[in-house]
Amino acid sequence: AQSVAQPEDQVNVAEGNPLTVKCTYSVSGNPYLFWYVQYPNRGLQFLLKYITGDNLVKGSYGFEAEFNKSQTSFHLKKPSALVSDSALYFCAVRDMGSGGYQKVTFGTGTKLQVIP
Amino acid sequence: DGGITQSPKYLFRKEGQNVTLSCEQNLNHDAMYWYRQDPGQGLRLIYYSQIVNDFQKGDIAEGYSVSREKKESFPLTVTSAQKNPTAFYLCASSLRGWDYQETQYFGPGTRLLVL
Repeated sequence: AQSVAQPEDQVNVAEGNPLTVKCTYSVSGNPYLFWYVQYPNRGLQFLLKYITGDNLVKGSYGFEAEFNKSQTSFHLKKPSALVSDSALYFCAVRDMGSGGYQKVTFGTGTKLQVIP
Repeated sequence: DGGITQSPKYLFRKEGQNVTLSCEQNLNHDAMYWYRQDPGQGLRLIYYSQIVNDFQKGDIAEGYSVSREKKESFPLTVTSAQKNPTAFYLCASSLRGWDYQETQYFGPGTRLLVL
């Protein structure tokens, strides 16, 4: 069974500082990994995904994520945080599996608070 | 939130009442999904549909029902059998449900509250 863990319920970072939101995963096959952002009372917005290839994936709004197969991690990063980045971030994984429909499994979310 | 609309934004349910949440997409996507979001629990899959006239139960289907009579529409009914329906409900779609690389796109959500 696939799973994804976001070990931090909340991350606080000062505006202008780099930010990292952590994600680790477990799958039986090759992972497909996603990051989404959710603003209060809104739906999830897609940020980026890893399918194959370069371990550093660039996405929307200056975010990037680094895929590390040996550590089974897919941490979200941004070089310089903005107050407007404050939101709830979800990591998600989909296992290629052994056939049939493979659902997307979401983490429990990490609240990012950027302090002015 | 792209081309996915959900209505209403807020919905109030009385005891013993069935309520229906609407989800419509104009993205020409084959697959549609319903998720429930509770604080601290992430998103849990209720039902999904990979094609018109077909749908499958997700992880927490009890107390819910769906239909997929049109490609664009995937309404969710919360029945009186769902004893704890208070949550934020999210509809999503993707181009082809069987493609593992695909991104799911989400609607703005409906918040269901019990009176």
